Amino acid sequence: EPEVTQTPSHQVTQMGQEVILRCVPISNHLYFYWYRQILGQKVEFLVSFYNNEISEKSEIFDDQFSVERPDGSNFTLKIRSTKLEDSAMYFCATLGGGGGYTFGSGTRLTVV
Amino acid sequence: GEDVEQSLFLSVREGDSSVINCTYTDSSSTYLYWYKQEPGAGLQLLTYIFSNMDMKQDQRLTVLLNKKDKHLSLRIADTQTGDSAIYFCASYNNNDMRFGAGTRLTVKP
Repeated sequence: EPEVTQTPSHQVTQMGQEVILRCVPISNHLYFYWYRQILGQKVEFLVSFYNNEISEKSEIFDDQFSVERPDGSNFTLKIRSTKLEDSAMYFCATLGGGGGYTFGSGTRLTVV
Repeated sequence: GEDVEQSLFLSVREGDSSVINCTYTDSSSTYLYWYKQEPGAGLQLLTYIFSNMDMKQDQRLTVLLNKKDKHLSLRIADTQTGDSAIYFCASYNNNDMRFGAGTRLTVKP
């Protein structure tokens, strides 16, 4: 069964550093998403991406966040200057036919 | 924004049925989903239902949808210890999915 692959599975970074979270979507899916889940809290929408541009973003997705498809296959989330409160699980998801999202297994980001 | 609400905890005994409830506010939702999250893992799609259906059964899982009341439930028959996880309800409309906070199901032997 097709999978969404995320790397790394766990990243520890110092406050103020830049991080890039990577996702390899399912190849024939066209819509891509990033969600995050702070430990013990709900899954929150960050951004959706279609046709090489952002289609929607939440208020969480401020200027320190950016997304891109650098090589037509990977889908990345960059956090420019990490803060302690950015510590969370970050999930990539893709949408194909049938309305079902497929989620990656997540990247646990720990900002120290 | 649109909201999805769930109770946070449910505890059942092994072999009993579990019923996890969810309410949503977006009356334009086209699909309603249930996802399962085991500790430290990602979100696994369990089942989904089209908004024009009122029931869907898939092995031990039964989904009931009351569109008028915007109420969704997930029933797990013969609950096993391996069903212990967090269950997320989600509503979907126009390429946008919103999640509830998740219900932590604990199954006691």
